[in-house]
Amino acid sequence: DTGVSQDPRHKITKRGQNVTFRCDPISEHNRLYWYRQTLGQGPEFLTYFQNEAQLEKSRLLSDRFSAERPKGSFSTLEIQRTEQGDSAMYLCASSSDLTVAYGYTFGSGTRLTVV
Amino acid sequence: DQQVKQNSPSLSVQEGRISILNCDYTNSMFDYFLWYKKYPAEGPTFLISISSIKDKNEDGRFTVFLNKSAKHLSLHIVPSQPGDSAVYFCAASEVNRDDKIIFGKGTRLHILP
Repeated sequence: DTGVSQDPRHKITKRGQNVTFRCDPISEHNRLYWYRQTLGQGPEFLTYFQNEAQLEKSRLLSDRFSAERPKGSFSTLEIQRTEQGDSAMYLCASSSDLTVAYGYTFGSGTRLTVV
Repeated sequence: DQQVKQNSPSLSVQEGRISILNCDYTNSMFDYFLWYKKYPAEGPTFLISISSIKDKNEDGRFTVFLNKSAKHLSLHIVPSQPGDSAVYFCAASEVNRDDKIIFGKGTRLHILP
């Protein structure tokens, strides 16, 4: 068990470019979450998958954001036409139905800087 | 509207003494409460949780107390150690609804030598 992996760890992009992040959850976990954390704030929920189904999306997730989990394993989060306000740490987490009451396991995050 | 509130951005405690981190919540439907610890450049790490049907849960040096009538919980760390210096997030979830975890803004704990 290697934990939750996120790639890349850091991304610097110019405003208006598209970026894509990848998350590999713990293999036996069927639930996968994306959160965003900005300076001085706690992690804010973006979206949630159970297996390959995207069950909930936050209103923080504008139409420039899209997330997929095509085979119920890894997930990608894409941001189109990035804006400076998108600069944040993007965190992925996973859990199983049996561990949901004991919290998620988070990855180390992808830090996005939009210049 | 913040459903989970941590009103102290930072806290300094002498090594060996007790650290008490506080948290308030507004949603009475929350049925699980959790504390996470976060070091710089790492993701949050689960620390301890408590069900809404309990008022105390203990794990080693960490104890979480829940006061449902006051919608308040606290994390006690005793004795505090240098490695406890980190940001601590209070969080809550409606497990029987969607188990989405809602986080507070965090409290930065400094353990002083």
